[in-house]
Amino acid sequence: DGGITQSPKYLFRKEGQNVTLSCEQNLNHDAMYWYRQDPGQGLRLIYYSQIVNDFQKGDIAEGYSVSREKKESFPLTVTSAQKNPTAFYLCASSTIRLVWAGELFFGEGSRLTVL
Amino acid sequence: SQQGEEDPQALSIQEGENATMNCSYKTSINNLQWYRQNSGRGLVHLILIRSNEREKHSGRLRVTLDTSKKSSSLLITASRAADTASYFCATDLNAGGTSYGKLTFGQGTILTVHP
Repeated sequence: DGGITQSPKYLFRKEGQNVTLSCEQNLNHDAMYWYRQDPGQGLRLIYYSQIVNDFQKGDIAEGYSVSREKKESFPLTVTSAQKNPTAFYLCASSTIRLVWAGELFFGEGSRLTVL
Repeated sequence: SQQGEEDPQALSIQEGENATMNCSYKTSINNLQWYRQNSGRGLVHLILIRSNEREKHSGRLRVTLDTSKKSSSLLITASRAADTASYFCATDLNAGGTSYGKLTFGQGTILTVHP
C-alpha cells in the first residue's frame, strides 16, 4: 500500500545527543515536509523539500538539519543545538502543483522525549 | 503568529448534533484545507477549497470560504462519536499569484462528540 512511514514511533534521547528521524514515502511525491507539534498547538514547519538535493528552511529550522538524497526519503536530524526538542514530529508529502499547494499526506508521527 | 486561527478551541456536543468550527487567516491565499487528527496520530486531509470557491461539500462535511472576511467554516452534520478528533485549517499563502508550496496550520479545534 502507498503511504508514508515514519520511524521510530517513540524515541528517548539524553541531552546533548543528536537523533535522526526517518521518513520514507512510496507515493512518488516530489515534495516532502517536516512539521513539529507541541501539546495544544498547531503544526509548525521545520523544513521542506520540493525536489531531490534541494530543501528550504521553514519557520523553526534552528537546531534541525535535513537531507534529500533520494526522492523517497527525507530524514530529519534533531541536533543538540535544539533547545527544546521534546515534541511530536510529523512528516508529510505532496505532489507539486505549479500555482497552488495540494493536499498533504502525513505519516503517523514520531514522539521524541528528551530525558 | 499563526496564519490560521481556529475558533472555538474546544467544542463538546452530543451525537446527532451539528458541529461548526471556524478559521480566520490574515493574508491572501490560494486555497484553504481542513485536516483531522485523532489523538496521537498523523493528520488526514478532509477537504480543500480554492480561493475562487465559496462552498464545498463532501459527505457530511460542508466548508465555506469568505475571502472578504478572510475566514472559513467547517460544518460536520449529524455528528458521531467517531468524529471525536482535532480539526485543523491550513492555508496556502498566495505568493504573487503562485504558491510557496507549503501550508501554514492553525492551532486546531478539539471536538468531542458524546454518545
